[in-house]
Amino acid sequence: DAMVIQNPRYQVTQFGKPVTLSCSQTLNHNVMYWYQQKSSQAPKLLFHYYDKDFNNEADTPDNFQSRRPNTSFCFLDIRSPGLGDAAMYLCATSRGTDLIGYTFGSGTRLTVV
Amino acid sequence: AQSVTQLDSQVPVFEEAPVELRCNYSSSVSVYLFWYVQYPNQGLQLLLKYLSGSTLVESINGFEAEFNKSQTSFHLRKPSVHISDTAEYFCAVSLLSGGYNKLIFGAGTRLAVHP
Repeated sequence: DAMVIQNPRYQVTQFGKPVTLSCSQTLNHNVMYWYQQKSSQAPKLLFHYYDKDFNNEADTPDNFQSRRPNTSFCFLDIRSPGLGDAAMYLCATSRGTDLIGYTFGSGTRLTVV
Repeated sequence: AQSVTQLDSQVPVFEEAPVELRCNYSSSVSVYLFWYVQYPNQGLQLLLKYLSGSTLVESINGFEAEFNKSQTSFHLRKPSVHISDTAEYFCAVSLLSGGYNKLIFGAGTRLAVHP
């Protein structure tokens, strides 16, 4: 089945130690998004890729970076995780301007110790 | 600017009772509205959407939502809930910008169905 897969499901990292979360898709969607969802809050868009074009939200901290080496994969890099970065990170895809809504992965829950 | 307000952070209800989860939006342009459901430690799943046409939209598991332009609302309803409906529900509005589809979410409503 076509889907969006996030690995790992749970990630524990040390304060200040770089961490990478991954997302892959078999939908061939050209847009990939990363959302941060803190406990009991709405998902917040960090950035997205439209094909190879990277688009950062204005209030996304510099500590967060992303890479998209090809259509299928997208990575979220947190250069120096702080305790406040503990959250569920959701990857989603969509097909350009199609209004079908997003397809979400199951998320990666990041714990910072 | 577009925004979404979910008026209830938590809604407790007994099994087989009806439920309504409220959602209001603000937008200066045409809107496309969505409801997503999130089960514990899972991603978001699309429940239903309003793009155009009939203002009443339905999902396969008995939920429905009605787009009310005059009241800028998109409330979610189900006539009889099940224990398995316990989850977090997010209302979202779509903004088409620069060739992509940006979703703006409300803060969510936690539906707790009790036996």
